[in-house]
Amino acid sequence: SQTIHQWPATLVQPVGSPLSLECTVEGTSNPNLYWYRQAAGRGLQLLFYSVGIGQISSEVPQNLSASRPQDRQFILSSKKLLLSDSGFYLCAWSRDRGDIQYFGAGTRLSVL
Amino acid sequence: EDKVVQSPLSLVVHEGDTVTLNCSYEVTNFRSLLWYKQEKKAPTFLFMLTSSGIEKKSGRLSSILDKKELFSILNITATQTGDSAVYLCAVEGVTDKLIFGTGTRLQVFP
Repeated sequence: SQTIHQWPATLVQPVGSPLSLECTVEGTSNPNLYWYRQAAGRGLQLLFYSVGIGQISSEVPQNLSASRPQDRQFILSSKKLLLSDSGFYLCAWSRDRGDIQYFGAGTRLSVL
Repeated sequence: EDKVVQSPLSLVVHEGDTVTLNCSYEVTNFRSLLWYKQEKKAPTFLFMLTSSGIEKKSGRLSSILDKKELFSILNITATQTGDSAVYLCAVEGVTDKLIFGTGTRLQVFP
């Protein structure tokens, strides 16, 4: 069966520090991968998605970037965090475009 | 602009009650509507609806889609405290991306 792992679960970082959140999927190959942010009182906002290694699409202009160095690995990064980057970050995967997306447990990021 | 609106925002009920959660949408070239349950962390998949009028059912949960009126409902009968969660509705359109509503927070008290 397929599983998705995200880490860390919780992160507290000072403003201006770098960020690296990692997401890996097991039990499938060539998944579509997604990064979402969930802010309090707002729906999940799609940040990035990837249909293959090295292929990244950005949905909203922001202080973050994403990379997919391996087939089942998706990384969310920032060189310098802003206060507004605080939130709950969720990684998800799907078999193909239009398929059900399955979510990881999320990372709660607090930028202080 | 594509959007998904869920109502109510919050709901408090007692165990045994039946609840109906609503999701309306405006999405270009609708493809599917999905319901998720989010307790504390990962949203977990409940239903995927693509056709009007066909009810999907899983235990005490059921959902139906009306593509003419552009909405879906999620019903939970005989609610239990374990049903307490945020229920998310998401719609996929022409862009193959999911547009999420803000969710309905359901609290079930004994």
